[in-house]
Amino acid sequence: ILNVEQSPQSLHVQEGDSTNFTCSFPSSNFYALHWYRWETAKSPEALFVMTLNGDEKKKGRISATLNTKEGYSYLYIKGSQPEDSATYLCADAGGTSYGKLTFGQGTILTVHP
Amino acid sequence: EAQVTQNPRYLITVTGKKLTVTCSQNMNHEYMSWYRQDPGLGLRQIYYSMNVEVTDKGDVPEGYKVSRKEKRNFPLILESPSPNQTSLYFCASSLRSGTNSYEQYFGPGTRLTVT
Repeated sequence: ILNVEQSPQSLHVQEGDSTNFTCSFPSSNFYALHWYRWETAKSPEALFVMTLNGDEKKKGRISATLNTKEGYSYLYIKGSQPEDSATYLCADAGGTSYGKLTFGQGTILTVHP
Repeated sequence: EAQVTQNPRYLITVTGKKLTVTCSQNMNHEYMSWYRQDPGLGLRQIYYSMNVEVTDKGDVPEGYKVSRKEKRNFPLILESPSPNQTSLYFCASSLRSGTNSYEQYFGPGTRLTVT
């Protein structure tokens, strides 16, 4: 994988459903994997920064896992609420230069009441 | 209040007229970065700075310049703007540089239109 890829591109779920999305990134020269939440008309806000293979992080109903050997991270939302509706971005801080951060195109989540 | 500020928030300009978008953070962060966001292309990094007087190109640096003379400020300069630089621009900062393992704090965004 040469780029950061996120799937699905968009997702519609009902309130109360649990959901998950995937971020795939180049597995060589890995430094860190970021997750951000971006609501319409606002700025992206950090959810997690993960650095170690096997990392699992949790914030309320949202959690994330990291597999650096195979180059993927999963973001899980348990019991989705309408206020979870947003674009979820992952970003890879790997590669040949410190400081570069490559974002995926995001997964747009819509939670219907 | 800890924040990243950008000015202006909205700008409509004409091709070739030099402009500067300012970015300032009050958190004593080492790392700062500029991104542009275009429909279907996601956030793309323009330039970043690991510390004062240390800047480097991101993925889409053409047509842009930056400087980092002070730790808190990281202006983005468009010497001769063109319509393909019409975009939503975000500045961001994080506590430390190194392997980019600190969360980034984003400014409110600047919507630029070049006619």
